[in-house]
Amino acid sequence: AQTVTQSQPEMSVQEAETVTLSCTYDTSENNYYLFWYKQPPSRQMILVIRQEAYKQQNATENRFSVNFQKAAKSFSLKISDSQLGDTAMYFCAFIYNTDKLIFGTGTRLQVFP
Amino acid sequence: NAGVTQTPKFQVLKTGQSMTLQCAQDMNHNSMYWYRQDPGMGLRLIYYSASEGTTDKGEVPNGYNVSRLNKREFSLRLESAAPSQTSVYFCASSRDRGRQPQHFGDGTRLSIL
Repeated sequence: AQTVTQSQPEMSVQEAETVTLSCTYDTSENNYYLFWYKQPPSRQMILVIRQEAYKQQNATENRFSVNFQKAAKSFSLKISDSQLGDTAMYFCAFIYNTDKLIFGTGTRLQVFP
Repeated sequence: NAGVTQTPKFQVLKTGQSMTLQCAQDMNHNSMYWYRQDPGMGLRLIYYSASEGTTDKGEVPNGYNVSRLNKREFSLRLESAAPSQTSVYFCASSRDRGRQPQHFGDGTRLSIL
């Protein structure tokens, strides 16, 4: 069975600093996709970044980047120059050749001024 | 652009009452999904519809039914609400199955007394 684990229930970072959120997953599949979603207090789920497993290059979206280690089944999210608006729950998610997006339990990130 | 629209945003029911949650997307997506989000558990898939006219069970389908009314609309019905169904419900859609990013609605907070 596919599983996604986020071992950090809560994280905090000071504004303008860098923070890394961890995610590991378990699968026997070779071709799959990984996502990070952000859920601010408004509750909306917002796609932050996507990584395709067959691509070795780590995905980057402005201040957000991932460290994808396929052999280690690790998919961490780095947020650079943290902003107050980054305060949110962050969910790591995994999908392969089905419709079932599997989510981790989330990491609550608080950005302090 | 509206994206994915869910109604209602909040609802309180008594045990045994029935209710239908509505979802509509205007992105011409083929696939649609219903999730529930409970504290500390991330999002779990209830049902999904890979294309118009098809529906399939997800991880936690018991106590729910769905209808893919047309390509735009995908409703979730609770026939006899139970307190265990108190949760936040999210509808999502994606262009196609599998690896396409899912776009989420703002959620419905449902309380069953």
